[in-house]
Amino acid sequence: EPEVTQTPSHQVTQMGQEVILRCVPISNHLYFYWYRQILGQKVEFLVSFYNNEISEKSEIFDDQFSVERPDGSNFTLKIRSTKLEDSAMYFCASMAGVWSNEQFFGPGTRLTVL
Amino acid sequence: GNSVTQMEGPVTLSEEAFLTINCTYTATGYPSLFWYVQYPGEGLQLLLKATKADDKGSNKGFEATYRKETTSFHLEKGSVQVSDSAVYFCALIPPGITGGGNKLTFGTGTQLKVEL
Repeated sequence: EPEVTQTPSHQVTQMGQEVILRCVPISNHLYFYWYRQILGQKVEFLVSFYNNEISEKSEIFDDQFSVERPDGSNFTLKIRSTKLEDSAMYFCASMAGVWSNEQFFGPGTRLTVL
Repeated sequence: GNSVTQMEGPVTLSEEAFLTINCTYTATGYPSLFWYVQYPGEGLQLLLKATKADDKGSNKGFEATYRKETTSFHLEKGSVQVSDSAVYFCALIPPGITGGGNKLTFGTGTQLKVEL
């Protein structure tokens, strides 16, 4: 069964460093998302991506964040200068199309900023 | 704006007990409603969904009915097992097709612990 994969599973970084979180969505899916979950809190939407551009982004997704689909299979989230409060679990999701309304989630990357 | 409210946890039950996790939502029109489950150390998995009023979603013995009149989508299971221990998230996607591809709005999650 096709699945969304994410690497790494756990990333530890120093405050101020850049990190790139990687995701491989399900093949042939058209919509891609990043969500995050700070420990013990709700899952929050960060950004959606369609047709090689950002469709929607939340207030959390400021200038420190960027997304890219560099090669038609990977979908990346970059944080340019990490802050302590960026420590969270980051989930990637993909959806075949708006007609399906079902998003498939990856296992997540736990980001720890020290 | 859109929002989802879930009962706070943790909910602790004995095996074979009846489970209800309450979920209510605020949204205009008829959103699509979902329950996701997160097992320890894993990502989010879709458990069930309903896309219109009075629809019942069901999977693995879990059920939830889309109630427009009470704006609710309560999760139920007749007999829980230890393996059902997880965090359960209620979520919605607003109605209509948007260029954003319909982002999910989640509740805070309810942790379920099932003991022998």
